[in-house]
Amino acid sequence: GENVEQHPSTLSVQEGDSAVIKCTYSDSASNYFPWYKQELGKRPQLIIDIRSNVGEKKDQRIAVTLNKTAKHFSLHITETQPEDSAVYFCAASRETGANNLFFGTGTRLTVIP
Amino acid sequence: EAGVVQSPRYKIIEKKQPVAFWCNPISGHNTLYWYLQNLGQGPELLIRYENEEAVDDSQLPKDRFSAERLKGVDSTLKIQPAELGDSAVYLCASSLGPLGTQYFGPGTRLLVL
Repeated sequence: GENVEQHPSTLSVQEGDSAVIKCTYSDSASNYFPWYKQELGKRPQLIIDIRSNVGEKKDQRIAVTLNKTAKHFSLHITETQPEDSAVYFCAASRETGANNLFFGTGTRLTVIP
Repeated sequence: EAGVVQSPRYKIIEKKQPVAFWCNPISGHNTLYWYLQNLGQGPELLIRYENEEAVDDSQLPKDRFSAERLKGVDSTLKIQPAELGDSAVYLCASSLGPLGTQYFGPGTRLLVL
């Protein structure tokens, strides 16, 4: 089955700086890669996703890049704000008949005001 | 539009007792998922339903866990008997079809004493 590894496990940045979280996956057939944000005690919420037919996707201060050859993808947050503080999870799945998501272990991001 | 609803939000039980969790998916979402989230980890799929049919329950510990979605809408997840190691957050998610974006509920935090 799919194995998703995520680094770093914790990340602290100064407000206004950028944050980068990296994930690798093992199943070359995976072609859908969402990122979820989970605040303390809250539900995971989708913030951005990317499919294997594109290499990069951007939504305001958030971007995701995908390297299918190397089987890794990254989340980039620019101009970080205190409200970006949360745990971020990457995930991977095959979008063929089933969308079983395999999650990474999470990155706790702290934005220091 | 209402999101995925779960109840109870918190549950404390003694080991060997039974416990049940309830999930109401987003209206019109025929695919429903139950995930287990241990502390500091990403969600792990337990079971996936397409309408009332459990199409993937390979990760469900069937000796003590059971689930049902009798009318293809609400779902319940049951543990009997509960063990100390079952303490975790149980997340329900739903999507519009098996390839749709998954939306999560707030989860039920279970503590087994």
